[in-house]
Amino acid sequence: AQKVTQAQTEISVVEKEDVTLDCVYETRDTTYYLFWYKQPPSGELVFLIRRNSFDEQNEISGRYSWNFQKSTSSFNFTITASQVVDSAVYFCALSLFFGNEKLTFGTGTRLTIIP
Amino acid sequence: AAGVIQSPRHLIKEKRETATLKCYPIPRHDTVYWYQQGPGQDPQFLISFYEKMQSDKGSIPDRFSAQQFSDYHSELNMSSLELGDSALYFCASSPSGGEGTDTQYFGPGTRLTVL
Repeated sequence: AQKVTQAQTEISVVEKEDVTLDCVYETRDTTYYLFWYKQPPSGELVFLIRRNSFDEQNEISGRYSWNFQKSTSSFNFTITASQVVDSAVYFCALSLFFGNEKLTFGTGTRLTIIP
Repeated sequence: AAGVIQSPRHLIKEKRETATLKCYPIPRHDTVYWYQQGPGQDPQFLISFYEKMQSDKGSIPDRFSAQQFSDYHSELNMSSLELGDSALYFCASSPSGGEGTDTQYFGPGTRLTVL
């Protein structure tokens, strides 16, 4: 079975600060996907990023960046120069690589950006 | 770009009543997933369909059933509703080939309240 742990329940930062959301996962499979989703107060789940288990290259996309390390089973997500609109619950999730596989979510981190 | 459509967006039912939730996937997406998110919790996988066949089943009560139709839309039928069924129900869709393969895109959700 898969497990995703987000130890940070709530984080508050002042606007324009950088913030990193932690995610640790467990799986016995060697091929899998990792995801980050954002759930703003309006309730929808918005896809942010996806990473394949065989691609540990870290990337930056605008104000978002992620750090995937298989050695520590971590998939951390960083927002630089945070904005009030970034306030939301962020979920890390994992699915196996076999196609049409369910997502296993972490418990989420509630991020509040203080103006 | 077209997104996943869910209807209704809000639904209020009495205990022991039935409810039907509908989901229209993104065009050319052949896989549909249903998730349940209780208050303050992470989404939990219920059931999925690929090419109109059930592909996986999670913690879905026997009182619930679902199917995917020939036009790929899906319906989640819930009977003998209980107070504990009050939740946000998400539908997601994904393509099994091409861009975005195996990435689940979520609809806005149906908020079900059982009184």
